[in-house]
Amino acid sequence: AAGVIQSPRHLIKEKRETATLKCYPIPRHDTVYWYQQGPGQDPQFLISFYEKMQSDKGSIPDRFSAQQFSDYHSELNMSSLELGDSALYFCASRPGGSGANVLTFGAGSRLTVL
Amino acid sequence: SQQGEEDPQALSIQEGENATMNCSYKTSINNLQWYRQNSGRGLVHLILIRSNEREKHSGRLRVTLDTSKKSSSLLITASRAADTASYFCATSGSSNTGKLIFGQGTTLQVKP
Repeated sequence: AAGVIQSPRHLIKEKRETATLKCYPIPRHDTVYWYQQGPGQDPQFLISFYEKMQSDKGSIPDRFSAQQFSDYHSELNMSSLELGDSALYFCASRPGGSGANVLTFGAGSRLTVL
Repeated sequence: SQQGEEDPQALSIQEGENATMNCSYKTSINNLQWYRQNSGRGLVHLILIRSNEREKHSGRLRVTLDTSKKSSSLLITASRAADTASYFCATSGSSNTGKLIFGQGTTLQVKP
């Protein structure tokens, strides 16, 4: 079965650079969520999209932005990177209108900021 | 964590033993979920228990929920080395959104 695809899997950037992470949800899943997980931490919700519109916002820095495209894939753009942005970034998806809020997570993108 | 605590933070057992992890949360909930994460990998949904349920089973997993104490426990019976992972509880409060708040997680090591 198709899963949530994230790219790149690993990314190394310098401070103040920009980075873009991509997420391809499971087919027919129209809701996408982004989470950030620092070393040894629990995942923290960043932002979500439903039918290409932002549906909820969490602890996402102003330096970060995201969008969902017409094919439902989503991109997380991070600018002016800081050392503290080093983390695992997960994308998750679920079908819109699903009775249960169970998420399917991708394998994550590991961002290292030097 | 914004949601609560999980205990123990780390657990080491022998293969075949049972593992129990506990989770506490702070708000009223619609349901509570448990996810598993292998080191540096994505989270995998294990089981969901609704707020009006007290116990749920799935294979070797048993989850309990006590809404009066705002706590849940995950029991893994007859553990295997492959169960080695971190386990997180998560809720979305009283809503049914995918904006999950995770507990701090319990790292389980099962020794062969």
